[in-house]
Amino acid sequence: AQKVTQAQTEISVVEKEDVTLDCVYETRDTTYYLFWYKQPPSGELVFLIRRNSFDEQNEISGRYSWNFQKSTSSFNFTITASQVVDSAVYFCALSRNYGQNFVFGPGTRLSVLP
Amino acid sequence: GAVVSQHPSRVICKSGTSVKIECRSLDFQATTMFWYRQFPKQSLMLMATSNEGSKATYEQGVEKDKFLINHASLTLSTLTVTSAHPEDSSFYICSASWAQTNEQFFGPGTRLTVL
Repeated sequence: AQKVTQAQTEISVVEKEDVTLDCVYETRDTTYYLFWYKQPPSGELVFLIRRNSFDEQNEISGRYSWNFQKSTSSFNFTITASQVVDSAVYFCALSRNYGQNFVFGPGTRLSVLP
Repeated sequence: GAVVSQHPSRVICKSGTSVKIECRSLDFQATTMFWYRQFPKQSLMLMATSNEGSKATYEQGVEKDKFLINHASLTLSTLTVTSAHPEDSSFYICSASWAQTNEQFFGPGTRLTVL
């Protein structure tokens, strides 16, 4: 069975602080895909990143970076110099294969205070 | 880019009525569409998977007679909540899998409130 755990239910930081959102996953598949989505108050999911299980390179996109550690089944997400607009719920998700349904983690609610 | 729309974005209905939610892939063909439900302050849970031209596959615990899914074309899937009750109030999100690449795209969601 597949499972995604996001241990942090809520995080509050002050603007310009760095923050890391944790994601730990469970799967028996050797091929799988990991995702991060942002869900602002409007509800629409905003795609942030996709990683397949064979690509363990870390990625940086502007203020966002991701650390994929297969050895610990983790796919953590760091926001550098956080901004108020980063306030949202962030979901980590796992997919068995391209085109298959997602298993979402419980989400982490991030509040960035001015 | 690939766009998935949902209609309506918000709906309020009386208990006992039926509500239909549409999910459309606007610029691509989707062989598979997924329906998720999200209760307040909770995560998204898969309700069902629909493939064009065949019956939907429902997740355990989801009543197929209550949540009717029709995937009549490669660009449209509908979810009908029959005899809605207040406990069905939720945020319903669909996603569509692009036939060419299997990449998935999410719709903006439909917020259903049953009074």
